[in-house]
Amino acid sequence: DSGVTQTPKHLITATGQRVTLRCSPRSGDLSVYWYQQSLDQGLQFLIQYYNGEERAKGNILERFSAQQFPDLHSELNLSSLELGDSALYFCASSSSGSVGSVEQFFGPGTRLTVL
Amino acid sequence: KNQVEQSPQSLIILEGKNCTLQCNYTVSPFSNLRWYKQDTGRGPVSLTIMTFSENTKSNGRYTATLDADTKQSSLHITASQLSDSASYICVVCEGSNYQLIWGAGTKLIIKP
Repeated sequence: DSGVTQTPKHLITATGQRVTLRCSPRSGDLSVYWYQQSLDQGLQFLIQYYNGEERAKGNILERFSAQQFPDLHSELNLSSLELGDSALYFCASSSSGSVGSVEQFFGPGTRLTVL
Repeated sequence: KNQVEQSPQSLIILEGKNCTLQCNYTVSPFSNLRWYKQDTGRGPVSLTIMTFSENTKSNGRYTATLDADTKQSSLHITASQLSDSASYICVVCEGSNYQLIWGAGTKLIIKP
């Protein structure tokens, strides 16, 4: 158990809908990262937050947004969902704002299925 | 362009055998290189983090090597077990803005 929690574990929804994925980082970690992993694909970095502020942005679509709250949990909002958004969404956390030499700890993921 | 390439794409070996997975990168400047193990449907778990000055690093039956001159790394698994069946992902940390460059992974299957 990495100490990173993600909810829900599974999510099934329809095209055009909006969903929210939630992540709680390890105790003491200030950075949260979001990744998308489509079937049999590698991980794609979406976005990083550090202590409530956006720190780095990857290949995140305009339909997706995220935020980190004062208690450091983070939410990833996915809207106008398309079939291609079906994927595993992972959250990771680290102690530093720079991933540099610090380790990232990954949560168990949320499996999103868009029908 | 910063890239991380892994080979082979997939590998099947018998339980008890050894294997070596390869990672070549073109990331510059270089900060560190990481190997992760990802079980199917689970989050990646870190195996090692290697900096420029480290040539070899072990974690139990896993041994990673790094040749920063040729920009190559390998992950050697000794006496494989069924629980080693997973994807192994090489990740290189770029040294200026500390962006992580992810490889596509090698899918390892251990057969009894």
